Amino acid sequence: DAKTTQPPSMDCAEGRAANLPCNHSTISGNEYVYWYRQIHSQGPQYIIHGLKNNETNEMASLIITEDRKSSTLILPHATLRDTAVYYCIVSHYGQNFVFGPGTRLSVLP
Amino acid sequence: DGGITQSPKYLFRKEGQNVTLSCEQNLNHDAMYWYRQDPGQGLRLIYYSQIVNDFQKGDIAEGYSVSREKKESFPLTVTSAQKNPTAFYLCASSITGRITSGNTIYFGEGSWLTVV
Repeated sequence: DAKTTQPPSMDCAEGRAANLPCNHSTISGNEYVYWYRQIHSQGPQYIIHGLKNNETNEMASLIITEDRKSSTLILPHATLRDTAVYYCIVSHYGQNFVFGPGTRLSVLP
Repeated sequence: DGGITQSPKYLFRKEGQNVTLSCEQNLNHDAMYWYRQDPGQGLRLIYYSQIVNDFQKGDIAEGYSVSREKKESFPLTVTSAQKNPTAFYLCASSITGRITSGNTIYFGEGSWLTVV
């Protein structure tokens, strides 16, 4: 499985966009990029995933670079409830997800 | 409501005892998974099952056992052979473990196991 690199922590002001980066330079052509988040003592919550094209849903946008070696998760208007650990994962066939330490996002009032 | 139900939420175990964590899903998913999470760490895969009556070891299977007799159920037993069982345990499921269209894993709310 490809490995990902994320900053350990980030801060974001409430109401502003939160941009969470992820490097996955060894990603292979058939591996998807997934984002999950985990609020303390809860199960991880699926956010979004993509292969090559940028994706958007009601929670977030996913921007994948043309070479697919990195991606950015965008929360357009962060709220205090978005404070969580965000995990970037690359996976083939969607199984055996490898969760690293992720990025701890703190949304500040 | 559709989803994944784990029970109990909190469990205390005496040293030397086996304990079983329940995981039930009504999503009609073929694949199910068990992860372990230690404080401040990522998730590590214990066991996974792609279909009924079949399961494979993950990265940290020692001291754990599972069964998959029904599609909707995937219980995890933490045996006395697991030396450091205190952790947060997460069950997950996905439609299948083999599709190529970008499978998504969904998680339960987790179970806290503490050895006393």
